[in-house]
Amino acid sequence: GQQLNQSPQSMFIQEGEDVSMNCTSSSIFNTWLWYKQDPGEGPVLLIALYKAGELTSNGRLTAQFGITRKDSFLNISASIPSDVGIYFCAGDPNTGNQFYFGTGTSLTVIP
Amino acid sequence: DAGITQSPRHKVTETGTPVTLRCHQTENHRYMYWYRQDPGHGLRLIHYSYGVKDTDKGEVSDGYSVSRSKTEDFLLTLESATSSQTSVYFCAIGAGGSGANVLTFGAGSRLTVL
Repeated sequence: GQQLNQSPQSMFIQEGEDVSMNCTSSSIFNTWLWYKQDPGEGPVLLIALYKAGELTSNGRLTAQFGITRKDSFLNISASIPSDVGIYFCAGDPNTGNQFYFGTGTSLTVIP
Repeated sequence: DAGITQSPRHKVTETGTPVTLRCHQTENHRYMYWYRQDPGHGLRLIHYSYGVKDTDKGEVSDGYSVSRSKTEDFLLTLESATSSQTSVYFCAIGAGGSGANVLTFGAGSRLTVL
């Protein structure tokens, strides 16, 4: 299967700080998705990216589809306590709408 | 979780017993997926379906089978459960098509195999 390397694995930040995380692949993807998962729940979609170079925002969240189509980035500005959770990237290499997921970034926000 | 229902939400079973997890959607989406989530592995695709009676294997399909007899239902079956299949199982749906496909997840089914 496809390998998605997501980093960092975990982050501990102060409230108000900005956060950056990324996801890289060994092969080209045609779609990148970013999800957030709270404990005991399913992942919830944050941002979807469909074109190389695309930069999309959703409130304090901004994500980019890398030019090489092998990576994607998620930034969170001015973090707040409710940002706590696990963030996952997912990519579709367009081999039949199969999505592969990164191993997640666990975010802890210290008030 | 709007439009997706997973059942049961929790199940404890013994090694060697059969288990069936059900995913039901009300969105009329073409694609349905089963993932398992384990610490350190993220979400891994087990099987997916691209239409009624049309299914394909994912990256961790050994020991699992699926069936889709209706658009709205996607069943995941463990013929003979093993302890390595203790996990949280997530169903997801997608409308399909390039340039617009996203996955929407259910709330998950936690399975413990003793």
